[in-house]
Amino acid sequence: NAGVTQTPKFRILKIGQSMTLQCTQDMNHNYMYWYRQDPGMGLKLIYYSVGAGITDKGEVPNGYNVSRSTTEDFPLRLELAAPSQTSVYFCASSLSDGSNEKLFFGSGTQLSVL
Amino acid sequence: RKEVEQDPGPFNVPEGATVAFNCTYSNSASQSFFWYRQDCRKEPKLLMSVYSSGNEDGRFTAQLNRASQYISLLIRDSKLSDSATYLCVVSRRQSSASKIIFGSGTRLSIRP
Repeated sequence: NAGVTQTPKFRILKIGQSMTLQCTQDMNHNYMYWYRQDPGMGLKLIYYSVGAGITDKGEVPNGYNVSRSTTEDFPLRLELAAPSQTSVYFCASSLSDGSNEKLFFGSGTQLSVL
Repeated sequence: RKEVEQDPGPFNVPEGATVAFNCTYSNSASQSFFWYRQDCRKEPKLLMSVYSSGNEDGRFTAQLNRASQYISLLIRDSKLSDSATYLCVVSRRQSSASKIIFGSGTRLSIRP
């Protein structure tokens, strides 16, 4: 049982480049989330999904896009990378509404935009 | 003002000591409360949920004071392996879904 798997673990982008952060979970969880964590800060929600085909904006969605075509996968797309997007990105999932459910996190992606 | 506030620390205490962290939240509609642990350069992991009646898990005790809107975590007989950042997490209903807010974390370092 792999849990939540994120790839890549590290990536360096040039300003204006695009990339997709992959996230997959094998726990049949309905809810999935993308967070970013800046140094010394808490996690901020970028986007979330309550099930396949349904996505919604979180606290800091600008510059990102997501899709949820299957229950398992929730990729995060950066279209025009900017230095402000340098951060650690975490994907997470929960069986139902995360307000009462444990969140399972992936191991994170360290992204630098130079 | 942040919705969830924590003392960033670092707390530097000797092995075997008892250490306590507090966390305050500003929205009285908050419903659920948690402590997560995050090791350096790793993902957060749930340490324990926090209930109004208080709850204990081994050396860890969590308390919630709704009237004062604060949450505490007490670690007894601290071990070197307790060194980590402890994140206070609060959730509340917002329209059709819940909003989960993470504090910035309190760094704990246990010295031999």
